[in-house]
Amino acid sequence: GQNIDQPTEMTATEGAIVQINCTYQTSGFNGLFWYQQHAGEAPTFLSYNVLDGLEEKGRFSSFLSRSKGYSYLLLKELQMKDSASYLCAVLDSNYQLIWGAGTKLIIKP
Amino acid sequence: DAGVTQSPTHLIKTRGQHVTLRCSPISGHKSVSWYQQVLGQGPQFIFQYYEKEERGRGNFPDRFSARQFPNYSSELNVNALLLGDSALYLCASSSEDDSIGELFFGEGSRLTVL
Repeated sequence: GQNIDQPTEMTATEGAIVQINCTYQTSGFNGLFWYQQHAGEAPTFLSYNVLDGLEEKGRFSSFLSRSKGYSYLLLKELQMKDSASYLCAVLDSNYQLIWGAGTKLIIKP
Repeated sequence: DAGVTQSPTHLIKTRGQHVTLRCSPISGHKSVSWYQQVLGQGPQFIFQYYEKEERGRGNFPDRFSARQFPNYSSELNVNALLLGDSALYLCASSSEDDSIGELFFGEGSRLTVL
């Protein structure tokens, strides 16, 4: 079966750095997405990785290791508005997105 | 430019009823996907349409059906509603047909089945 695992919830302090991990087992791989979803809102795109390595975009970075079936999302200089759920999703061999359950990130002052 | 628009935003139905959800993609986007998101979980893929053709179908019963119109808008239909169909139904559009492109989500239609 296909499976994507991420921690259910994480807590971090404003101004700090947090790393949200995602491991996956899917039938094929055509890329990995990270989305941010605030409570009651639609997901919004953060990043897309298809090759190994680190992609940096402002305060957010995403890393991929295809051999390990592993990715992480790194958030720096945390702000209160970063409190949200972060969803990891993998595009499988049929080009269907398989989603993790999301990691709820709580930012404390 | 308008983003992805969905209607209705909220609706309440009873078991056994039928529901139709509507989605208008971003102008110029030809691909529309539907997802079901139960509270506390990630979205589950239901359907993808591109150029009015079904390109993918998730693991949902035949009670779920969809179609895409010539203007690329889409409808999701669910028959014989069950309590477990209560969820947020998200529509996403992209300019690509293979989902590699960034997905742009609408605000969703929140369905409650009583």
